[in-house]
Amino acid sequence: DAGVTQSPTHLIKTRGQHVTLRCSPISGHKSVSWYQQVLGQGPQFIFQYYEKEERGRGNFPDRFSARQFPNYSSELNVNALLLGDSALYLCASSRGTDHSYEQYFGPGTRLTVT
Amino acid sequence: AQKITQTQPGMFVQEKEAVTLDCTYDTSDPSYGLFWYKQPSSGEMIFLIYQGSYDQQNATEGRYSLNFQKARKSANLVISASQLGDSAMYFCAMIRSGGYQKVTFGIGTKLQVIP
Repeated sequence: DAGVTQSPTHLIKTRGQHVTLRCSPISGHKSVSWYQQVLGQGPQFIFQYYEKEERGRGNFPDRFSARQFPNYSSELNVNALLLGDSALYLCASSRGTDHSYEQYFGPGTRLTVT
Repeated sequence: AQKITQTQPGMFVQEKEAVTLDCTYDTSDPSYGLFWYKQPSSGEMIFLIYQGSYDQQNATEGRYSLNFQKARKSANLVISASQLGDSAMYFCAMIRSGGYQKVTFGIGTKLQVIP
């Protein structure tokens, strides 16, 4: 079975631009979470989506938004990019039930803002 | 609020030796789960082991075991018989039961296995 996939792998953007990152979960997984990992730190939770609804949001500004599609894939959008948004963006999928705590991560998208 | 503390920025271990990576946590939730992930230089987070707060036995997965001491709020990872491929960043993480599955991560420990 295919794991979690993310696209693109790498991305370079300029301050003020907008970016869209994509994630496809493992087949059968209905929940997708997004994390930001700045160099030298652990991942920080941004969003969780389950069955196309936002189930949780971390401490990130409104410039960050996301959505989940009927096929459970997801997009993370970041507007008005800042230099501090440079990071590895990780997507994780899980079955989404209360008894399934295992999250499986994708390879990440490395975003560089110049 | 949940908090994970990893106090070892870097660790060295001789190949074939065992190593313990420390993790302490803080939470007011009565039910929670604790994880360890491995992150090689490629960036992908690899799930290693999970321990539920009500599990009676310490979790084990092959060469990985989680030394769970609830009263001390610690969840140390023990890697036995270290291999060169174990060199990576290791993150301790916590999830609260129920609700949404926000995972709180520590800042990680960089493990280097020496031949």
